[in-house]
Amino acid sequence: DVQMTQSPSSVSASVGDTVTIHCRASQNIRSWLAWYQQKPGIAPKLLIFSASGLQSGVPFRFSGSGFGTNFTLTISGVQPEDFATYFCQQAASFPRTFGQGTKVEIK
Amino acid sequence: QVQLQESGPDLVKPTQTLSLTCTVSGASISSGDYYWTWIRQSPGKGLEWIGYIYATGSSYSNPSLESRVSLSVDRSTNQFSLTLESVTAADTAVYYCARSHVQLWFDPWGRGTRVTVSS
Repeated sequence: DVQMTQSPSSVSASVGDTVTIHCRASQNIRSWLAWYQQKPGIAPKLLIFSASGLQSGVPFRFSGSGFGTNFTLTISGVQPEDFATYFCQQAASFPRTFGQGTKVEIK
Repeated sequence: QVQLQESGPDLVKPTQTLSLTCTVSGASISSGDYYWTWIRQSPGKGLEWIGYIYATGSSYSNPSLESRVSLSVDRSTNQFSLTLESVTAADTAVYYCARSHVQLWFDPWGRGTRVTVSS
């Protein structure tokens, strides 16, 4: 299985800050990576697909980058509604696997 | 818009079978573009992909669960289902159904249903 490792496990930020979350795959997954946002008690929501594609309806302050084994999710100008947990997911091979999550907290 | 809703028991006894159904609205499960998915989330294992089923009934499951998992689809009711046999406490989780385009990403997801395995 492809192991997905996220860092940091949590990050504190103030409204307006830029937040960067990292995801590393245990093997080359090219651009087969997605990012999800999850708020407490709510199902995950797809933000980014194919490493850098912005899902329809997702604000432009969210961006993704990376290729191969190292990927980044950036939130440029964090808003109050962005405080949540973020997960990466690989779609290069079966079984599909997820990172353990990064919690973005209010400083 | 497309909505998915899980249904099933909240509590299952160890060694018994867990059965969940996902009802799809706003789209036909027979649409050839999508695969219908089960994912679970627990504090210990995080998010875990369980498997896909296609409208034709062909399916693929996580090898770690494959021996205990059965997936089915009912096009007449626009539903798909998950059966997990011989459950243990390790199967306690929130179970989500989701739609997947070309077996890649998951969108949208259902609201999830919490299942506890306990005697």
